[in-house]
Parts: sequence; C-alpha cells; structure tokens
Amino acid sequence: GAVVSQHPSWVICKSGTSVKIECRSLDFQATTMFWYRQFPKQSLMLMATSNEGSKATYEQGVEKDKFLINHASLTLSTLTVTSAHPEDSSFYICSVWASSGNTIYFGEGSWLTVV
Amino acid sequence: GNSVTQMEGPVTLSEEAFLTINCTYTATGYPSLFWYVQYPGEGLQLLLKATKADDKGSNKGFEATYRKETTSFHLEKGSVQVSDSAVYFCALRETGNQFYFGTGTSLTVIP
Repeated sequence: GAVVSQHPSWVICKSGTSVKIECRSLDFQATTMFWYRQFPKQSLMLMATSNEGSKATYEQGVEKDKFLINHASLTLSTLTVTSAHPEDSSFYICSVWASSGNTIYFGEGSWLTVV
Repeated sequence: GNSVTQMEGPVTLSEEAFLTINCTYTATGYPSLFWYVQYPGEGLQLLLKATKADDKGSNKGFEATYRKETTSFHLEKGSVQVSDSAVYFCALRETGNQFYFGTGTSLTVIP
C-alpha cells in the first residue's frame, strides 16, 4: 500500500485564492520531506525541503512567501500556494526521506489548475 | 551542475515489442542513478537503480546499466506488456537527498 499519501490529487481554484496540498507519511516518522513541481514538458524540479519543527529551505527562484510550507508534525507537511495565478498551474509532488531504510518515497502528486 | 536529459515521449508500442528509453546525465561528482515509474493515479515508485559505474539495475524485466563513459542510463525491456503503460522518469542523486529528474516519458502499450 501507499507509504506516502498526498491530497488532493486534483484541485481547481480561482485566481487570487489560496490552496493547500497535504503530504502525509503513513508508515514512519519523517523529519524531512521534499516538494517538487513539474510544468508541462519540463523536469520535476525541487522547490523546497521541509524540515519538521523548523523553516523550510527553498530552492533559488522559488518564492517562499508564495509557497508556504508547514511541517508541524513528523507525519505531515503542507504546501500552500497563496494568491494563486494561472502560471502556478502545475503538478506538485512530495517525497519523504525514510532514513531508516535509506529510501525516498513519493506521494501520488497533485494537479493544480488555477482559472 | 547536475541535470538529466530524457527521451521525449509519448512512446506507443505494441505488446511484446522491445523498449528503450534513453537517458543521459550531467553530474559534477559520482551520482547514483534511478528509474522511477508512475502508473496512472499512483505515486512515483522506484523501478531500479544503480549506484556506481557498470552496475546494472533490474526489476520486473526492466534493465539499465550505469555507463560512465557515455554518461547514460538507458532503460530497456525486451518484451513490454500492456501493464507497463506508465510514465517513466530518469533521475540522479549525488550528495544529500536531492534528486534531479528528467522530463518523464509516457509509454503506452497497445494489445
């Protein structure tokens, strides 16, 4: 079964609104989670590294005030796209580092469409 | 810097055909190389990996060999099935936990 659950799988929101995407680790505690995004015909790109109990580390070019990441517990990280615009429409996927097994697990991904 | 270049899709094959999906990479050090697969409605799953040059990763009939001299990690399968229809991602990981992915290649296998 799934080790990492991501929700929602599909979301459509109006321009200017905010949308939250959840990433849950089901089988183990995760101190570190990663958020990626993929624009059409481009690679999956790392957006930020989410650390439990501390601020996320954002990659260059990713606006931290626009993409709010909260990793409040060892099993949940959330990505909130604030004041979404059509250019934020993309595929967002999280991954979880299971240090005990030296393995990374991915969520199912979330398709965001901003209209 | 690190990057992965992957054959663009979509790829459509008949059942039992031979599959090759090309992947080349650029890395500053000695990366581990991966192929991930995403079936419809599911998350990315590790298909196979290789951690050093000349290693061959294999799983479910798929194979890929880590070729340092050509900086490649091409995915192959001798006889594809309809159930292999999915999106395949080539990726590398150097130090730390950050992955660098290719664009993904969509494969459709028709009966």
